[in-house]
Amino acid sequence: LAKTTQPISMDSYEGQEVNITCSHNNIATNDYITWYQQFPSQGPRFIIQGYKTKVTNEVASLFIPADRKSSTLSLPRVSLSDTAVYYCLVGDAPSNDYKLSFGAGTTVTVRA
Amino acid sequence: GAGVSQSPRYKVAKRGQDVALRCDPISGHVSLFWYQQALGQGPEFLTYFQNEAQLDKSGLPSDRFFAERPEGSVSTLKIQRTQQEDSAVYLCASSPIEGQPQHFGDGTRLSIL
Repeated sequence: LAKTTQPISMDSYEGQEVNITCSHNNIATNDYITWYQQFPSQGPRFIIQGYKTKVTNEVASLFIPADRKSSTLSLPRVSLSDTAVYYCLVGDAPSNDYKLSFGAGTTVTVRA
Repeated sequence: GAGVSQSPRYKVAKRGQDVALRCDPISGHVSLFWYQQALGQGPEFLTYFQNEAQLDKSGLPSDRFFAERPEGSVSTLKIQRTQQEDSAVYLCASSPIEGQPQHFGDGTRLSIL
């Protein structure tokens, strides 16, 4: 599994855009990039997954440069309820990498 | 709702006791996973089932940990002769097939006194 590095914590204010960058220098050709969100006392929740370029859904956008050695999760116009831990995962999905390897994640704190 | 359900949500046990944690996956989900999450850390993989077959148990920390899914739906994680270092949140996840995004339950917080 490719190792990922992401900031330990980030602070933001309501209404701002939050961008979390994850480094994965050893990403393999078959690897996908997946982000999960975890609120206190809850299990992780899948946010978004991508392989290259840009992916957008109703929750977030994922930007992946051409070399795929990093990726950026973008949360538009955050609210207090977006305060959570965000995990960047790299693995051979969606085919057969079932052992999710989470790391410590990035704690995002949104303030009023 | 029809999410992954875990019980109990909280479990306190004395060191040396046996505990059993239950997971009800989403109906029809083939794959089932158990993870252990220590305070301030991300979840760590314990074991994986495809239907009733336990295909990977490489993450189980010792032979005191045992998981089963006899009928391919509900799963139980059992810890024998619990020790203080077993204190953690135990998360269960399921997915319709291998490789699809996993859906997590809210976990069982286990405290060993």
